[in-house]
Amino acid sequence: KNEVEQSPQNLTAQEGEFITINCSYSVGISALHWLQQHPGGGIVSLFMLSSGKKKHGRLIATINIQEKHSSLHITASHPRDSAVYICAVSPNFGNEKLTFGTGTRLTIIP
Amino acid sequence: DADVTQTPRNRITKTGKRIMLECSQTKGHDRMYWYRQDPGLGLQLIYYSFDVKDINKGEISDGYSVSRQAQAKFSLSLESAIPNQTALYFCATSEGRDYGYTFGSGTRLTVV
Repeated sequence: KNEVEQSPQNLTAQEGEFITINCSYSVGISALHWLQQHPGGGIVSLFMLSSGKKKHGRLIATINIQEKHSSLHITASHPRDSAVYICAVSPNFGNEKLTFGTGTRLTIIP
Repeated sequence: DADVTQTPRNRITKTGKRIMLECSQTKGHDRMYWYRQDPGLGLQLIYYSFDVKDINKGEISDGYSVSRQAQAKFSLSLESAIPNQTALYFCATSEGRDYGYTFGSGTRLTVV
């Protein structure tokens, strides 16, 4: 079992829909990261959080440390949100290596 | 200019050739990382460096070597490229455990 599991693996939705992507992890962490990878390949950091909730524009990230679970929400989704969304965790032990999920491929249809 | 610059963006090379992927950053971060991404897999850590004199192997270092020429420069070499090293390679930087990461745009390497 991977230390970081994302669901769903693929998600197709209509423009305007509310999107939720989930991430569960099995290790103690110091922080959780949400990343966005566009079809061109580049990776952009969206959020880093260790508790509670963060919001940036139409994106909201939440984390429940007790349940080892995080969600990324997109409100009023738009075709430009189409990308792969990757969850990664920084374990709170050992060195500072990130452990990555395999990503959720999101496609927003106009 | 981008905060983290990778060169080349794309490269096709033949089996057995030596190839170097370069990464430079303007973030002033001490920590630099090389990751490999394969379809259907999460990013895997190849090597990481916490400062110029500190180089560490990651999960999949076999067949790779690195050089930290300066705080701003971290190069990845494939001494003798093989086809299963065909992948997308990312360089990243960070200030540390409790800070975010900045990624380069990636290098798409094809070994034929």
